[in-house]
Amino acid sequence: QSVLTQPPSVSETPGQRVTISCSGGSSNIGSNTVNWYQQVPGATPKLLIYSNNHRPSGVPDRFSGSKSGTSASLAISGLQSEDEADYYCGTWDDSLNAALFGGGTKLTVL
Amino acid sequence: QVQLVESGGGVVQPGGSLKVSCAASGFSFSAYGMHWVRQAPGKGLEWVAFIRLDGGIAFYADSVKGRFTISRDNSKNTMYLQMNSLKAEDTAVYYCAKDFLRSYNIFDVWGQGTMVTVSS
Repeated sequence: QSVLTQPPSVSETPGQRVTISCSGGSSNIGSNTVNWYQQVPGATPKLLIYSNNHRPSGVPDRFSGSKSGTSASLAISGLQSEDEADYYCGTWDDSLNAALFGGGTKLTVL
Repeated sequence: QVQLVESGGGVVQPGGSLKVSCAASGFSFSAYGMHWVRQAPGKGLEWVAFIRLDGGIAFYADSVKGRFTISRDNSKNTMYLQMNSLKAEDTAVYYCAKDFLRSYNIFDVWGQGTMVTVSS
């Protein structure tokens, strides 16, 4: 059971918009910034969003992040088939003195 | 180009020990903190440990505290994870990852991983 809670799966059709939520608590998301990672099947994870809403070089602006209180969200617009992957949120927990990942959300592009 | 290459994985019996390595290239290794992250077969990501750029501070997940030790040799551009008292639940792909922005929790470069299997 992860400290950060994500829905196990989401699905949407190509061209549409989907959001993935990540819920935590005051010692983690409530106190620190949130990052998002994409893991395409068979590949290593890739940093997608850092510090709540910043995109590393090369990440399309179809991907965006936000945070409010103890929750965060990843939005993907203009869905493409290659977006089908597992998505993980992550942050630091001040009480545990540990980095955390959410349980992951599998995105299916129908 | 920036690259991380893990090695040293294998099959080990429960209660045994194993040391995995992460060789870095393409960036100034001594200027960055480093992490180990693992992924059990078919499961999600689990952060394991962090070591500061100078090796002076290390943090561990509760699940490995007291059994695993992270270390680094900046003269060799290499990080290590010594794993003792291994359990079946430690079976996973172990990734090394570079810390970003001295954040302690943003992983901007990942290796390909090395598989550790704990089984009798």
